Amino acid sequence: DGGITQSPKYLFRKEGQNVTLSCEQNLNHDAMYWYRQDPGQGLRLIYYSQIVNDFQKGDIAEGYSVSREKKESFPLTVTSAQKNPTAFYLCASSIRGGPRGGEQYFGPGTRLTVT
Amino acid sequence: SQKIEQNSEALNIQEGKTATLTCNYTNYSPAYLQWYRQDPGRGPVFLLLIRENEKEKRKERLKVTFDTTLKQSLFHITASQPADSATYLCGLRRNTPLVFGKGTRLSVIA
Repeated sequence: DGGITQSPKYLFRKEGQNVTLSCEQNLNHDAMYWYRQDPGQGLRLIYYSQIVNDFQKGDIAEGYSVSREKKESFPLTVTSAQKNPTAFYLCASSIRGGPRGGEQYFGPGTRLTVT
Repeated sequence: SQKIEQNSEALNIQEGKTATLTCNYTNYSPAYLQWYRQDPGRGPVFLLLIRENEKEKRKERLKVTFDTTLKQSLFHITASQPADSATYLCGLRRNTPLVFGKGTRLSVIA
């Protein structure tokens, strides 16, 4: 089955710890994205990557880091510098980046709780 | 700054009626606009895409219109069913990744 997987579905961490969220796709898509969703806030873009070994900051990149060493994988690290890390994190991909990127396919999400 | 507004946070309608959701935007010239459905605790699912040079798109019971003069898109679900209850998101794109509105939570009452 083709699609995007995110793991784990639920993640709990203590304040001050870095945590890495996994995102894998087998759709052969060039572009991948990380969004954060808070209640009543909609989806906000954290980072995106249009091609392997390249990525750009989104609207709320502070306190997060990413890597794109393989086409299939785009892990997100939530660092201790992120002031409000508790949220629902969504990974997405599209055939390509740029204005002709087409629709985005989303993973099931990871709900991160930091206490 | 760019702004996307979806008409209301929540919309309740009776089963069988047509649901109409609105997406308005300012300070933006999207090349296309997309609508997604999101169920609680799950990732959004793509429904329809409409380009700036298109006025209307249809898919089964769904219809989307795009008015670049009014800077507005309308999303219609005809003959609505309780299974259509979900949050619907509009997303706009030109040269950057999709920018999303906050969504409208639709409840279809039997």
